[in-house]
Amino acid sequence: GAVVSQHPSRVICKSGTSVKIECRSLDFQATTMFWYRQFPKQSLMLMATSNEGSKATYEQGVEKDKFLINHASLTLSTLTVTSAHPEDSSFYICSARVRAGVPYNEQFFGPGTRLTVL
Amino acid sequence: KNEVEQSPQNLTAQEGEFITINCSYSVGISALHWLQQHPGGGIVSLFMLSSGKKKHGRLIATINIQEKHSSLHITASHPRDSAVYICAVSPGNQFYFGTGTSLTVIP
Repeated sequence: GAVVSQHPSRVICKSGTSVKIECRSLDFQATTMFWYRQFPKQSLMLMATSNEGSKATYEQGVEKDKFLINHASLTLSTLTVTSAHPEDSSFYICSARVRAGVPYNEQFFGPGTRLTVL
Repeated sequence: KNEVEQSPQNLTAQEGEFITINCSYSVGISALHWLQQHPGGGIVSLFMLSSGKKKHGRLIATINIQEKHSSLHITASHPRDSAVYICAVSPGNQFYFGTGTSLTVIP
């Protein structure tokens, strides 16, 4: 099946630094990638939708200047958490949509990145 | 009110038991998904369905579009089935997620 990878799998950083998380579709082209965050014991919350070659669409309440998303190619999207603070500590998951323009939406999820900001 | 409601929130079962997890949703959908999240955090897509029933190994997923309800069944449960099971619906481009059902299967 379709494989999505994320790198790094976990990162610990100091408050005020920026962290970049990569999401790659390994064996398919993803025109759309999604970024989610998940707090402990909670469900996934969509942060933004990333379309290749265009600006990301952010969900309400998500700061676009803090969470920079770049979808430079059909196989790579990056999420950069700028000037990270302890409250940004979370589990970040990406997913990639395999096909567009069909009745069903099938997404494949990455393994996630656990960010801890000290 | 959440678009997707799951029950139960937590479930403990003895190895070998038949398990059912329920999902109700309130929006029109193009597909419903069952996902599995292991303690390490990675998510695996188990099923995507828009009608009827699907079976994969010991897992069975059913959906009733009229009643806006889906069930995930696990037959002959095993400790390795211990995980969080998440129901998600996609009315269109994005997903709405349930809060998950935490399953623990005891040997």
